[in-house]
Amino acid sequence: DADVTQTPRNRITKTGKRIMLECSQTKGHDRMYWYRQDPGLGLQLIYYSFDVKDINKGEISDGYSVSRQAQAKFSLSLESAIPNQTALYFCATSDTKPGLSYNEQFFGPGTRLTVL
Amino acid sequence: AQSVTQLGSHVSVSEGALVLLRCNYSSSVPPYLFWYVQYPNQGLQLLLKYTTGATLVKGINGFEAEFKKSETSFHLTKPSAHMSDAAEYFCAVSEDYGQNFVFGPGTRLSVLP
Repeated sequence: DADVTQTPRNRITKTGKRIMLECSQTKGHDRMYWYRQDPGLGLQLIYYSFDVKDINKGEISDGYSVSRQAQAKFSLSLESAIPNQTALYFCATSDTKPGLSYNEQFFGPGTRLTVL
Repeated sequence: AQSVTQLGSHVSVSEGALVLLRCNYSSSVPPYLFWYVQYPNQGLQLLLKYTTGATLVKGINGFEAEFKKSETSFHLTKPSAHMSDAAEYFCAVSEDYGQNFVFGPGTRLSVLP
């Protein structure tokens, strides 16, 4: 089973609709991230959360909001979707405990969102 | 502020040839550096990372990268390309112990038969 899962994997919606993308992890990591990927731009950080009570804006947070419902769940919402939010969205987790995976981010498979 | 540049958005090599993907970074403190690979329709997977210590880092699938502080570079190499190496490769830098990353724009590697 995948350690970081994202739902849905693909979504087509219309301008103005509210959309929620969900991320769940079974890795026990305390930190979670949302990125969007656009061709030629790499990954841009939207929001990140260092624990359930800590939410931080990334470089492109406008038009997005997040909710950290539990340590294992981190949702991304588009309150009123617009076409330039069409992109591939990735959730990631990281661990603050020293160990082999320290300093590494683990990514989900991505959600492809199309806003018409 | 930290930043990453990757020279060449698309690189093509023949199967069996040397792979060289370039990454240059800027950072105000000693950085942590990473290479990730993304296969079609998949998320990103860590290839290798540099934190401290030896500047030549070996990763999975025969890839390695060398941290050169004087050149602010972290180029990725593989002696002999395989068809399965075709993917997009991202270089990333972190100034805070690998917790917040800045990614480069990516380089798409094509391997020709």
